[in-house]
Amino acid sequence: DQQVKQNSPSLSVQEGRISILNCDYTNSMFDYFLWYKKYPAEGPTFLISISSIKDKNEDGRFTVFLNKSAKHLSLHIVPSQPGDSAVYFCAASARGFGNEKLTFGTGTRLTIIP
Amino acid sequence: DAGITQSPRHKVTETGTPVTLRCHQTENHRYMYWYRQDPGHGLRLIHYSYGVKDTDKGEVSDGYSVSRSKTEDFLLTLESATSSQTSVYFCAISDPRGDTGELFFGEGSRLTVL
Repeated sequence: DQQVKQNSPSLSVQEGRISILNCDYTNSMFDYFLWYKKYPAEGPTFLISISSIKDKNEDGRFTVFLNKSAKHLSLHIVPSQPGDSAVYFCAASARGFGNEKLTFGTGTRLTIIP
Repeated sequence: DAGITQSPRHKVTETGTPVTLRCHQTENHRYMYWYRQDPGHGLRLIHYSYGVKDTDKGEVSDGYSVSRSKTEDFLLTLESATSSQTSVYFCAISDPRGDTGELFFGEGSRLTVL
C-alpha cells in the first residue's frame, strides 16, 4: 500500500518557467511533509518542508503548498534553472504521533530544458 | 554537510554470501535509518534505530538484520545475499529535537548481487 504517491515519473520544463511537482498521501496521521532532491550518485538532500498546521511555506525559489482536505501537496519552483534537473522525492511522517520515520514517494525526475 | 560515512561505497558479491554495510556518523544524532532505493519504488525503509541497542523493522526488512552497539555506528547485514537485494542503500540520521524531522542522508552504497 503506497501511502505517499507521486504519479508523474517525469516532468520536463523550459528554463525560466515554473515547475510544479505533485504528491498525494493516504495516511491521515501524517503531519509533516518534506521534499528531497537527488542528483545521480549522491544521497538525497533536504529541500523544504511544511507542517500540517500550515498551507504554504516558501524558501527562495521553492514553495510548498499543502491541501489537507485533498491530501495533496505540491512543490513549485520558479524560475526553473538547469541545476534543478534532478529526481524529487516527496516524504511524510507522523511526528505528532511519535513516529519520526519518513515514508517516501517513488520520485519525479525533473528535466529543465535550456 | 552532515558527517555521515557509508562503507563500502560499491560492492559486488555472489548469491548466498553474507554482506555487511556500515554507516558511521559524527553528529551524535540518536536516530539512524537504512533505506534502499530501487527504480519505481523510491526510497523504502529497511530498519531503523532510536538509540543504542534499540532497533526495529521497517517496511522491507525481510532478509536484513541490523545492529547498533554505539551511537555513531549502524550496521546493516544481509545474512545470505540474493539478487533481489541488488540496490543502492542509503543510511540516514535525524535529531528528534529538530523542527521538521529532516533526515540527513549518506552518499549511498551500491550493492550488486550476482
